[in-house]
Amino acid sequence: SYELTQPPSVSVSPGQTASITCSGDKLGDKYACWYQQKPGQSPVLVIYQDNKRPSGIPERFSGSNSGNTATLTISGTQAMDEADYYCQAWDSSTVIFGGGTKLTVL
Amino acid sequence: EVQLVESGGGLVKPGESLRLSCAASGFTFSNYSMNWVRQAPGKGLEWVSSISSSGNYIYYADSLKGRFTISRDNAKNSLYLQMNSLRAEDTAVYYCARDSDVFDIWGQGTMVTVSS
Repeated sequence: SYELTQPPSVSVSPGQTASITCSGDKLGDKYACWYQQKPGQSPVLVIYQDNKRPSGIPERFSGSNSGNTATLTISGTQAMDEADYYCQAWDSSTVIFGGGTKLTVL
Repeated sequence: EVQLVESGGGLVKPGESLRLSCAASGFTFSNYSMNWVRQAPGKGLEWVSSISSSGNYIYYADSLKGRFTISRDNAKNSLYLQMNSLRAEDTAVYYCARDSDVFDIWGQGTMVTVSS
């Protein structure tokens, strides 16, 4: 079965750039999206179709997807960006989530 | 306001059944595929099932092994998940999510606890 692999944790200093990766076999041939989840809250879509931002998502969130890796980049990271981030893709008609990455802003 | 509200969660014993509901409002429910996603305590997101807008196409995660059934009633703007033969490992928050090829709207979730 198809799998998406994320690093368990990423740390970044405020104002710096955070990059979270998501790896899967030929992931670049699929669309990847990203969700942000803060403690006690439901997930929120932050990137879809590899690099598109939904309305209301700050411009500091961007995405890319090529080869076997999709990347979520947060530029000028703020304390409010501290959260768990999940990548997601479709494999045939099933939904695959990555294991999630805890982003710590310190 | 576009909204999804889950209900029906609770504490059940292993082997028992439970039916979750998801009430949709603020959008044309019958135009969208819908999904259930769960999250065990302290764990990541796990896709459970999806159903097409008409209900004609249904898919499940392999791990469920036929114990769960997804359905919808477009006249009532509602999505359902019938869960049978529940196990301790089914303990999780269950979210319903609107499917626009991505999950763009999520409910607040309903907690299901399976314990003797």
